Formats: sequence, C-alpha cells, structure tokens
Amino acid sequence: QVQLEQSGAEVKKPGSSVKVSCRASGGSFSNYSISWVRQAPGQGLEWMGRIIPMHIIVNYAQKFQGRVTFTADRSTSTAYMELSSLRSEDTAVYYCARDRDPPRGDYSFDSWGQGTLVTVSS
Amino acid sequence: DLVMTQSPDSLAVSLGARATINCKSSQSVLYNSNNKNYLAWYQQKPGQPPKLLIYWASTRDSGVPDRFSGSGSGTDFTLTISSLQAEDVAVYYCQQYFGTPPTFGQGTKVEIK
Repeated sequence: QVQLEQSGAEVKKPGSSVKVSCRASGGSFSNYSISWVRQAPGQGLEWMGRIIPMHIIVNYAQKFQGRVTFTADRSTSTAYMELSSLRSEDTAVYYCARDRDPPRGDYSFDSWGQGTLVTVSS
Repeated sequence: DLVMTQSPDSLAVSLGARATINCKSSQSVLYNSNNKNYLAWYQQKPGQPPKLLIYWASTRDSGVPDRFSGSGSGTDFTLTISSLQAEDVAVYYCQQYFGTPPTFGQGTKVEIK
C-alpha cells in the first residue's frame, strides 16, 4: 500500500507563496497520478488539480489556474504543490492523494497524505 | 462543474442501528459504455485525512468492513452503515469523478444518539 508523507505546517504572509511536498513510499511513484485537495477550516473538500509524474502531465482546476504549480521529482518520489499570491481565504489543510486507477478512469482517491496546514495571516 | 448534494447534513443514530446517507448529482455520473457509476464515498474523522470506503458507487475498498455498502445509479446514490459502531462517528463525503473537476458533496456528520 502506498504511503504519502507531507511536509509540516506553514504560516505565510498575504501575497507570499507556499510550497508543500508529498513523498511517496511503498509503490512505483512514476506510475502514480497525484491529486491535491484542500479543506478550509470546518469546510468541505476542494480538488485543486493533479500531476502524472511519468508523463509530466498536469491538470489544474480552473479556480487555481495561474496561481498554483505542481511539480514532481521522480528521483525522490516527491510531488510538490506551490501556491502563490496567498490570501487569507487560502488558509486550509492541503492534502495530496493518489488517484486510484487512472487507466480505467477511476479517479477516486485511495491513499492520502496526513495533510499540511497552511495559515495565511498578516 | 457537477454539483453533489448530500442529505441530511447530520444524523444521530443509535449504536447497532442503520444509518443512511444520500447523495444527488446535478448530472448523471453513469458512463453508458461501461455501465459504471463514477461515484466514491469517504469517511473523515477529526484531525485525519479522508479514507476511501466505496468506489464505482458500490465496490468496497480493501479492508473496509462489510457493514458499509453503497448503492444507486445515475444521479441518486446512498451510503448505508448497516449497524452503526462507535468508531463510525465521522463526516462522510460523496465524490464524483465522472467530470473534471472531481467534486465532493458538502458532507454528512454521523453521531451516536
């Protein structure tokens, strides 16, 4: 079973950027599709986009286009999410999650990182 | 974007009783060519990430107890907990992956009565 380990909590100023990492173990990272999902305090789940490291394919949710960048380092089995121009509304827990079986169209999320709290405050 | 609406927002059920959560999609998530419903259910406990329970609307993920079951097709789906246990107290979410972006319901909080 794949395990996803995320970087620690961050406190950022409005207008700055944050970069969250997600390291995978227990499987073949290159074959994965990794999605990023965020959850504001006390709120629901919001998909931000996904990256497929093998093919260097990225898909961003329209809401985050131009402000988010996904990258991956196959040598360390690590995916990264960078969000820029931070505002208070970006305060949330950010999760990485593995898409279960993309070749079969199964984009449910079967493994999740523990989450990274990003707090945006002046 | 497809909108997923869950009902109720919360429910309190006695230990050992049945809990039923509904999820309605603004458009069908049934793909006719393979007859699969692109619908998943998750359980989230406080301070934890969501956990996948059900995918393809009715297939339990590995290790999920058989008291959890999913049903429905098209636009209307149900998650049933046949005999509620104390460890099932959580928020439950449905998610569609028929369209992009994948979208979630607002969540249903399950408590013990």
